[in-house]
Amino acid sequence: QVHLVQSGAEVKKPGASVKISCKALGYTFTNSAMYWVRQAPGQRPECMGWINTGTGDTKYSQKFQGRVSITRDTSASTAYMELSSLRPEDTAVYSCARDWYSSGWRTMDVWGQGTTVIVSS
Amino acid sequence: DIQMTQSPSSLSASVGGRVTITCRASQTISKSLNWYQQKVGKAPKVLIYGASGLQGGVPSRFRGSGSGTDFTLTISSLQPEDSATYYCQQSYTFPVTFGQGTRLEIK
Repeated sequence: QVHLVQSGAEVKKPGASVKISCKALGYTFTNSAMYWVRQAPGQRPECMGWINTGTGDTKYSQKFQGRVSITRDTSASTAYMELSSLRPEDTAVYSCARDWYSSGWRTMDVWGQGTTVIVSS
Repeated sequence: DIQMTQSPSSLSASVGGRVTITCRASQTISKSLNWYQQKVGKAPKVLIYGASGLQGGVPSRFRGSGSGTDFTLTISSLQPEDSATYYCQQSYTFPVTFGQGTRLEIK
């Protein structure tokens, strides 16, 4: 069964960085790209970036450009998202989601369980 | 970025009833539109892909339609477990973007 398992909750001070992992289980990691999405309390999901897990190529949303870095370790079937210069408004649930094509249409078909990040002094 | 706007923001309906949620894109996105259901404390779950394709395992009472800029999600024969927030999402171009959500309460 396909699963994405994320690392645990984090509490950070403003200005710090956070790095979250997302381990893929039940499928070939490099066959599907991965999104990172965050959702602040009561808000819509927001795409932060994307990684081609085979080549390592990345795309970042302009909103997070310069603060986010998405990487992967193919030997561990794990993707990582690091967000730097944290501020209180970065408090949110951060999730990885598999980039999948259903009948040629792109979806996020499997999601990690989410990692809560709290930024507070 | 493409802006996605849903309406209504919330609605309430009875068991057995039917509801329709609309989603509008700020520019044409062909049929690159997905619908997700999110229950409290859970990750979103894809219901509809490509505007009208039913994701495997999703009941047929969920139906999507539309193309271009205007889309709808219709849920028939409402069940208590349909209580959730529903999001549309465009996958036409990066970054993918979501609507603001529609909260559905089942009475």
